[in-house]
Amino acid sequence: AQTVTQSQPEMSVQEAETVTLSCTYDTSESDYYLFWYKQPPSRQMILVIRQEAYKQQNATENRFSVNFQKAAKSFSLKISDSQLGDAAMYFCAHLSNDYKLSFGAGTTVTVRA
Amino acid sequence: KAGVTQTPRYLIKTRGQQVTLSCSPISGHRSVSWYQQTPGQGLQFLFEYFSETQRNKGNFPGRFSGRQFSNSRSEMNVSTLELGDSALYLCASSLVRGRNTEAFFGQGTRLTVV
Repeated sequence: AQTVTQSQPEMSVQEAETVTLSCTYDTSESDYYLFWYKQPPSRQMILVIRQEAYKQQNATENRFSVNFQKAAKSFSLKISDSQLGDAAMYFCAHLSNDYKLSFGAGTTVTVRA
Repeated sequence: KAGVTQTPRYLIKTRGQQVTLSCSPISGHRSVSWYQQTPGQGLQFLFEYFSETQRNKGNFPGRFSGRQFSNSRSEMNVSTLELGDSALYLCASSLVRGRNTEAFFGQGTRLTVV
């Protein structure tokens, strides 16, 4: 079974600054997908960024980037130039070969104006 | 293009009752997955449907069941409700059953069992 661990329940960042969210996972699969999802107060999960395990290059989507360390089973998310709209709960997730998404416990990000 | 629609948005039920939640995927999407979100257990996978067949199931008791219709709409049913079933139930749809396809989530159904 896959487990995903997010060790930071809450993170606070000043507007325009950078914040990094940590995620580690455990899997016996060699090929898999990793995701970061954002859940604002509206509760709708929104895909932020996706990483394919067989790709060594770290994924980037505008102000969002990941640091994927496959050997260490680490998948952190960096939010650059933080904006008030980035405030939300962020979930790290692993998609297994049998299409099950396993989520971490989440990290609540607060952005200070 | 309409997103994933879950109905109802809120529901209050009494212990012992049963409940049916509905999920209408994005038009053209054929895969639907369900998740339960609680403060204590976080987000947990319930089941996945594709082409009207359950392809995968999480570690939930048999009281939790679901189905998918020919138009890809899906329902999940919980029988003999317990207080611990109070949760946000999220549905996600994707175009096909593939790991490289994005899953789009609905806003969820908030179920409260009293």
